[in-house]
Amino acid sequence: ETGVTQSPTHLIKTRGQQVTLRCSSQSGHNTVSWYQQALGQGPQFIFQYYREEENGRGNFPPRFSGLQFPNYSSELNVNALELDDSALYLCASSYQGAGELFFGEGSRLTVL
Amino acid sequence: GENVEQHPSTLSVQEGDSAVIKCTYSDSASNYFPWYKQELGKGPQLIIDIRSNVGEKKDQRIAVTLNKTAKHFSLHITETQPEDSAVYFCAASGPRDGGTSYGKLTFGQGTILTVHP
Repeated sequence: ETGVTQSPTHLIKTRGQQVTLRCSSQSGHNTVSWYQQALGQGPQFIFQYYREEENGRGNFPPRFSGLQFPNYSSELNVNALELDDSALYLCASSYQGAGELFFGEGSRLTVL
Repeated sequence: GENVEQHPSTLSVQEGDSAVIKCTYSDSASNYFPWYKQELGKGPQLIIDIRSNVGEKKDQRIAVTLNKTAKHFSLHITETQPEDSAVYFCAASGPRDGGTSYGKLTFGQGTILTVHP
């Protein structure tokens, strides 16, 4: 059974740039959720994708967007990067109704 | 929306002692309460969870209790070991839309647990 994998693991961007983060869900899982974890904080829900559509969104602006593909993998896109976007971005997969979320190791984004 | 408060923010114990971390939540509709362990440089790992139709759940040295009336839940770790040292997060979610809402967790701020040998 393959776990949740994310890429890249680390990246550095400058303010105003755009970034794309990728996630492959765990085998058998059809739902992907994205979280932002600032240093020393708990993860904050960004949005969830189910059946290739956004299924719920947290308190994040429209410059945070995503996609889910037919194989259930997902992308998180952030436009017009700001310094406060520096964080660990976590992807988690689950099977609808199963409850348990399984997290990847995250992508550490630094915005300079 | 849901708000989850977690205490304490740091907890230091001696090996073999017990550790207790407490969380409160605000939304009475929440019915799923997982606990995650996060080690340095890694993603959160689910260690135990409880649903609202159960008051207590145990898994070896780990137990979780839930008081829905008071809207609080706790993690209990007995016989702590140095490898239990990590950041622990509580979380809550509810059945708002067709069963997929379990992915929309609201997390507490975390507890840094240090177990001294």
